[in-house]
Amino acid sequence: DAKTTQPTSMDCAEGRAANLPCNHSTISGNEYVYWYRQIHSQGPQYIIHGLKNNETNEMASLIITEDRKSSTLILPHATLRDTAVYYCIVRDFLSGNTPLVFGKGTRLSVIA
Amino acid sequence: GAVVSQHPSRVICKSGTSVKIECRSLDFQATTMFWYRQFPKKSLMLMATSNEGSKATYEQGVEKDKFLINHASLTLSTLTVTSAHPEDSSFYICSARDLGAGVRSYGYTFGSGTRLTVV
Repeated sequence: DAKTTQPTSMDCAEGRAANLPCNHSTISGNEYVYWYRQIHSQGPQYIIHGLKNNETNEMASLIITEDRKSSTLILPHATLRDTAVYYCIVRDFLSGNTPLVFGKGTRLSVIA
Repeated sequence: GAVVSQHPSRVICKSGTSVKIECRSLDFQATTMFWYRQFPKKSLMLMATSNEGSKATYEQGVEKDKFLINHASLTLSTLTVTSAHPEDSSFYICSARDLGAGVRSYGYTFGSGTRLTVV
């Protein structure tokens, strides 16, 4: 699976949009971009995933650049409960039943 | 959606004793489950892959005789930390993939984690 690079930490004011970047310059054509988050002392939670088109669900939006070498997770109106570590994971959908591998992620702090 | 239940959520044990952690897939069958360990302010590190009806596969550096994994049914995997020591204190998390959700879906669901403290 391709390597990802994320900023170590970010702050965001409550109610504002949180934009979390991820670089995955070595991504291949079969690889999806997945985002998970981990709130303190909980297991990771799925947020969103995409291949090349932008995606939106009730939690977030995922913007993938045309060359697919980077992406941005957008939380449109961050709340204090969005404070967590956010993981960007690139993974081949043909990988089958193999585990997710987590990098260091971005620690997002939402500030009142 | 798919739910993975993990118990206990928190356990404190004495050094030298053993602790069992359970991971159950509640609404799907999981032939494979994954066990992770996470130290404070660190990322999740894969410990082992649990396979139903066969031996688990361990990541390099993880002692298989210390971290016993049993996956006797399609919905239950257990991790037993044997002869626990303070350095085994950590946050343990299990995960399973609902293959019925489709190959291209996210599919991976995580338990809520177990905080183990060895005193």
